[in-house]
Amino acid sequence: DQQVKQNSPSLSVQEGRISILNCDYTNSMFDYFLWYKKYPAEGPTFLISISSIKDKNEDGRFTVFLNKSAKHLSLHIVPSQPGDSAVYFCAASSFGNEKLTFGTGTRLTIIP
Amino acid sequence: EPEVTQTPSHQVTQMGQEVILRCVPISNHLYFYWYRQILGQKVEFLVSFYNNEISEKSEIFDDQFSVERPDGSNFTLKIRSTKLEDSAMYFCASREGFTGELFFGEGSRLTVL
Repeated sequence: DQQVKQNSPSLSVQEGRISILNCDYTNSMFDYFLWYKKYPAEGPTFLISISSIKDKNEDGRFTVFLNKSAKHLSLHIVPSQPGDSAVYFCAASSFGNEKLTFGTGTRLTIIP
Repeated sequence: EPEVTQTPSHQVTQMGQEVILRCVPISNHLYFYWYRQILGQKVEFLVSFYNNEISEKSEIFDDQFSVERPDGSNFTLKIRSTKLEDSAMYFCASREGFTGELFFGEGSRLTVL
């Protein structure tokens, strides 16, 4: 039951360029979406979130875009830095339901 | 910066043994969670805990699992009789309110032999 999908298991981007990570979801009840970053041997770290009433949220180098009609969200990192190399998880939840449903993750590698 | 702490970082156990994983959530947080990640797979929800009781649990969280908040600070996950397929990284998480940012610990890796 893959309600949240990250179809790219890995992505390599040159330092300084834009990284775009994609996430699709199937459950139309999801109304809150988050991106987490995970380094090896560490827990997921919250990056940025967006609620379904918005289509864009920006925080420094990180911007999340939400396309509700396509059930798609994306995380843009610009400019990409070597420290951004990690696994990125998309997660979603629905109103009244506190659990997060995670995607399978995308491993981002920033090439110096 | 406040953080969620977990112990042990790695536990190796024999199949059928009981395991207790410990977590200290962030002090002013009221909602507590366990998630797990089997190697190479996605992070999966196990259980949520609020006001000293389970508020939601997944299909994974069967009778072999239990959670407890024995005092004001610790939040524990117990697996009564471990199976090989319980081998995973177990993450504790907490948050201040019902929604919003979830803070994760660094995880406890459980290896069942």
